[in-house]
Amino acid sequence: LAKTTQPISMDSYEGQEVNITCSHNNIATNDYITWYQQFPSQGPRFIIQGYKTKVTNEVASLFIPADRKSSTLSLPRVSLSDTAVYYCLVDGSSNTGKLIFGQGTTLQVKP
Amino acid sequence: GAVVSQHPSWVICKSGTSVKIECRSLDFQATTMFWYRQFPKQSLMLMATSNEGSKATYEQGVEKDKFLINHASLTLSTLTVTSAHPEDSSFYICSARAPEDYGYTFGSGTRLTVV
Repeated sequence: LAKTTQPISMDSYEGQEVNITCSHNNIATNDYITWYQQFPSQGPRFIIQGYKTKVTNEVASLFIPADRKSSTLSLPRVSLSDTAVYYCLVDGSSNTGKLIFGQGTTLQVKP
Repeated sequence: GAVVSQHPSWVICKSGTSVKIECRSLDFQATTMFWYRQFPKQSLMLMATSNEGSKATYEQGVEKDKFLINHASLTLSTLTVTSAHPEDSSFYICSARAPEDYGYTFGSGTRLTVV
């Protein structure tokens, strides 16, 4: 199974750009990298997914180097409402289609 | 986007009773749904994979006789916690993937408290 490793916690201030890096050394060829956000007492919410290079949507960017052994979620100009837990997951054949959650990164945005 | 509805959002039950949690895919059909459990300050732990029309697949260490899963239709999966005990108190979350979506959609979760 492809395992992910992220920092346990990060602090930031409003208006700053936040980059959260995840390592997934055992990622398989068919795997995608997906990031989710979770607020307390809510189910996780899909943020972004990518396979390689860079992906951008209205809320975040995802950078994936050529070897795909890591990925970086970039949140531009965070606000207090971005305080949440962020999970990096490998989604695909290496996990037999299951979505296995790692420990996640607790992001605390301060005023 | 796809919506997964989970009900109830919270439930309190007495020790020894059973509780059923429903997970519905509102605007798509889901042949596979997943059930997770999450304790405070911890990550989500996959409990089982629910397969429409067949038996669920349980993760190692999860008691299949205690956590009964039924996936009787393409839009509904249920998790029944049987003979609940206080240690079963947790946040239960289901998920499914719509065919046209990139990621999984999660329900809003069910907070179970066993007293």
